Amino acid sequence: QKEVEQNSGPLSVPEGAIASLNCTYSDRVSQSFFWYRQYSGKSPELIMSIYSNGDKEDGRFTAQLNKASQYVSLLIRDSQPSDSATYLCAVLNRDDKIIFGKGTRLHILP
Amino acid sequence: DTAVSQTPKYLVTQMGNDKSIKCEQNLGHDTMYWYKQDSKKFLKIMFSYNNKELIINETVPNRFSPKSPDKAHLNLHINSLELGDSAVYFCASRATATGVNEQFFGPGTRLTVL
Repeated sequence: QKEVEQNSGPLSVPEGAIASLNCTYSDRVSQSFFWYRQYSGKSPELIMSIYSNGDKEDGRFTAQLNKASQYVSLLIRDSQPSDSATYLCAVLNRDDKIIFGKGTRLHILP
Repeated sequence: DTAVSQTPKYLVTQMGNDKSIKCEQNLGHDTMYWYKQDSKKFLKIMFSYNNKELIINETVPNRFSPKSPDKAHLNLHINSLELGDSAVYFCASRATATGVNEQFFGPGTRLTVL
C-alpha cells in the first residue's frame, strides 16, 4: 500500500460549484497533514495544514481530517478557473518525512 | 522577501557532465530537503539535512551528493549525468523544532540531460 494515495483525476468541476479532493494515508501515527497546490511549471504552494480531527476553514478552502479512517479531504467552494491545478496531499510520517501523494488534477469548467 | 530560492532555474547539459544546483532559505528553518519531480509529476524526497547534518538519504545513486555549508544553504552536486536524471529538482525547508511542520518549496530547477 502506498503511503499517501490520491485519485489522479482529472476532476472536472463547473465554475461556482464545490470541488472535493480526497486523500488516504497508511501511517496510523501521522499527526500533520497538508494540501499543496501546484500550477503547471511552478513549485508546490502550501494552501492548508491540518493537525486535529474535524474541519479547518480558510477562505474558500476547507480541510477535513478523520484520523480513525486515515482520510484527509480538501473542499474548494465557489470554484474559480484559477483553481485549476494539481492538488497534492502530503503527510508527515513517523520518520519525520513529509510524503506526497501523486496529486489530483483539478479542472474548473468556465 | 522571505523565501526559498534556487539557482539555476533551468539547466541543459550533455550526458556525462557534472553540474550543481544551489539552494538558500532565509526563513530561519533548521531542515532543508531536495525533492525530485519526474515527468509523471511524482514528488519524491531525495535528501534531508538538519542543521548541516544529513538525516535522510533515500535510495539515490551516489552520483548525487548534497552539501550543506550552513543551515541556510543546501546544494546538490550531480556527477556523470544520465538521461534519466532529467527532472525538476525542488529544494524545500521546514522548521522541525516548532511543531508546525509546514514545508516551503523553492521555485525548482528544470534539468534536461541530452
